[in-house]
Amino acid sequence: DTGVSQDPRHKITKRGQNVTFRCDPISEHNRLYWYRQTLGQGPEFLTYFQNEAQLEKSRLLSDRFSAERPKGSFSTLEIQRTEQGDSAMYLCASSLEVLAGNNEQFFGPGTRLTVL
Amino acid sequence: AQSVSQHNHHVILSEAASLELGCNYSYGGTVNLFWYVQYPGQHLQLLLKYFSGDPLVKGIKGFEAEFIKSKFSFNLRKPSVQWSDTAEYFCAVNPRGLNTNAGKSTFGDGTTLTVKP
Repeated sequence: DTGVSQDPRHKITKRGQNVTFRCDPISEHNRLYWYRQTLGQGPEFLTYFQNEAQLEKSRLLSDRFSAERPKGSFSTLEIQRTEQGDSAMYLCASSLEVLAGNNEQFFGPGTRLTVL
Repeated sequence: AQSVSQHNHHVILSEAASLELGCNYSYGGTVNLFWYVQYPGQHLQLLLKYFSGDPLVKGIKGFEAEFIKSKFSFNLRKPSVQWSDTAEYFCAVNPRGLNTNAGKSTFGDGTTLTVKP
């Protein structure tokens, strides 16, 4: 499968624990995005990388959240001291920066986080 | 800042009825436009996309959308829905170009479509 993959697909944790999610983008894609989707809402932008550089972080991303893309390939999203409000689907997407501006993102299956 | 508005939160249709889902966006520059579908328990799938050129775009499964620049709209249509079209539909927009925001998508809150057999 050459699409975007995410691991794990489901994570149940207790409040206060740390969790880490992984995203493997399509191999030639230089941009990688993280979104969060809660029930009844569309995905909301969290952060994105161009190669290994994190170019933007949303105000939604509190200090407890950190994302990395150390070698410009896979990315990790860590949430420290989880809260019940962090329960959501965390989506990863990747795209290839195209000179013509046709920016299409390809989404992974998501990681569903449940904080008890 | 970009924003996307989907007017219909929940639409219920009978099979063979025609569908139109509204989507309006707000952004001061040129945009790419997308419709995604999310079937129950599944991940986002691209239905169709508009980058430039012909404002009427056709996607998978008989869906089409029309970009009306003057109205900042990108409505989704299907002439005859099937029970299998029951899903949630999301409109999304991202800025077009090479600026740092290019590719960062803003989604609407989605429309839940229920098709009765």
